[in-house]
Amino acid sequence: NAGVMQNPRHLVRRRGQEARLRCSPMKGHSHVYWYRQLPEEGLKFMVYLQKENIIDESGMPKERFSAEFPKEGPSILRIQQVVRGDSAAYFCASSPDTNEQFFGPGTRLTVL
Amino acid sequence: AQSVSQHNHHVILSEAASLELGCNYSYGGTVNLFWYVQYPGQHLQLLLKYFSGDPLVKGIKGFEAEFIKSKFSFNLRKPSVQWSDTAEYFCAASFSGGYQKVTFGTGTKLQVIP
Repeated sequence: NAGVMQNPRHLVRRRGQEARLRCSPMKGHSHVYWYRQLPEEGLKFMVYLQKENIIDESGMPKERFSAEFPKEGPSILRIQQVVRGDSAAYFCASSPDTNEQFFGPGTRLTVL
Repeated sequence: AQSVSQHNHHVILSEAASLELGCNYSYGGTVNLFWYVQYPGQHLQLLLKYFSGDPLVKGIKGFEAEFIKSKFSFNLRKPSVQWSDTAEYFCAASFSGGYQKVTFGTGTKLQVIP
């Protein structure tokens, strides 16, 4: 059973471009969570999704950020018009229920 | 506000030394507690978790943690560390709710010197 997969592992964008981060949960997992880790900080919760539904987006910035988890395919975290402050590691986690979360390797976003 | 605190940001130990990493949380209700480890270049892995029952929890690789409700603490311990324990350790918690939105501490970087 493959673990949580994230791609790309590294993403470089210039200011103003769009960043798309993908997360494929473990097989059988219908819960997906996105976290952001800024330099020298712990992981911060961003959004929790189940298939086709956003359950909690209380940690998402109100502008430029969006997330989806379609019926088919990976979950996508989309950042429009990136700024330097968006540079961070973005982690996805999945779970089969509301207990243990399994984390992916993360995507390191660098905004030039 | 609900939060998790780790007071040791960087710990350096020699092999065979004993380890204790502090973790405190602030919340008066039901809490689930976790310790995650991130080895260099790898993703987060769960070391151990506490949901209920015996407050002394044993995890993988010889780690254990003790939940002390009166102190709002969940310290991680290992009697004898190895060089391979060099990693970053994150304490985390989820606070009573219908799902497990996890709040993380800022992490402790452990360096074990051979």
